[in-house]
Order: sequence, then structure tokens, then C-alpha cells
Amino acid sequence: DQQVKQNSPSLSVQEGRISILNCDYTNSMFDYFLWYKKYPAEGPTFLISISSIKDKNEDGRFTVFLNKSAKHLSLHIVPSQPGDSAVYFCAAKERGSNYKLTFGKGTLLTVNP
Amino acid sequence: DAMVIQNPRYQVTQFGKPVTLSCSQTLNHNVMYWYQQKSSQAPKLLFHYYDKDFNNEADTPDNFQSRRPNTSFCFLDIRSPGLGDAAMYLCATSRPPIHQPQHFGDGTRLSIL
Repeated sequence: DQQVKQNSPSLSVQEGRISILNCDYTNSMFDYFLWYKKYPAEGPTFLISISSIKDKNEDGRFTVFLNKSAKHLSLHIVPSQPGDSAVYFCAAKERGSNYKLTFGKGTLLTVNP
Repeated sequence: DAMVIQNPRYQVTQFGKPVTLSCSQTLNHNVMYWYQQKSSQAPKLLFHYYDKDFNNEADTPDNFQSRRPNTSFCFLDIRSPGLGDAAMYLCATSRPPIHQPQHFGDGTRLSIL
């Protein structure tokens, strides 16, 4: 039973355009959300996070939006660069659950020059 | 650079032959995690340590054990590997407070013959 779903296995965008990666969740106890980026043959690296008390968090070219009523979050990358090509994982932490993260399956983003 | 190091990067073992994967960290983080990631699947938490306190996920098979002899090292022991245990194993670390991001190693890919 997947509690964190990334329904798009892959996404392709042109350099300079916006990339939007989506994530849906089913567990209403999730109170903290993170995005990780993973290059081939490397471990995931933390990108950006958002608490459930917020609806937006921004860090440079990366913005995460949270819609709690829809149980949906999205990661926006503007402008997209070829170096952003990677697998992006959405992850969530449950309130009261110390340290455990539940991950989605990831979305492969390809940014074409 | 401070980091999380996993050895070996690739491990091949025979069906039923015990195998140990290792993880070391120079970040001096209190919390260490082991994840299993099968092909095209989400990373799945097996267990984590907060200092010497061991926390096993309810659905982690008994075949999987872990040891943390000191702050820097953590081991994953698979007592009798089956074909279904072939996967990427990821080690991660984090420090309190609870919302600090996890830092991942590059993983060990385990193959079972």
C-alpha cells in the first residue's frame, strides 16, 4: 500500500523551461515533506523540504508547494538546467514517528539542452 | 569532505550465504539508517539506530540484522540471503532535531547467485 505516490515515472523538459514534479500522499498523519535528488551511481541528496504548516517553500530555483486538502505536493524548478537531470524522490514523515521517512518511487527528470 | 561511505559498492553472494554490508560516517550524526531499494521501487526503511538504540521496522524480515559498534560504523547482516533480497542497500545518517535531512551514502548493490 503506497502512501506516497509519484505517478509520473519520467518527465522531459527543455532547458530554461519550468519542470513540475508531482507527489500525492494518502496518510493524513504526514506532517513534513522532503524532496531528494539522485544521480546515477550516487545516493540521494536532500533538495528542499516543507512543513505541513506551510504551503510554500522556496530555495533559489526550487520551490515546493503543498496542498494539504488535496494531499498533494509539487516541486517546481525554474529555470530547468541540464544538470537537473536526475531522479527526484518525494518523501514524507509521519507525525509522532521519529525519523522514519516514507518515499515515493521517484520521477526521472530529463532536461534537454 | 565529511560523508557517508558504503563498502563495498557491489557485493555478490550465493543463495543462503551470510553477507555483511558496511557503512561509515564522518558526520558524527546520532542517527543511522538502512534502506532497501529494489529496482524502480521506493527506498524502504529497514531499521535505524539513534545512538545505540535500535529501531526495527515492523515489516523488516528476521533475516536482516544490524550492528552499530560505535558512532561511526553501522553494519547490515543478511543471515541467509534469498533471491528476493537482491537490491540496492542505502545507508543514511542524520542528527537531531527530528526534521534534519538525511545524508545518504552511494549504496551497495547486492546480487544473489
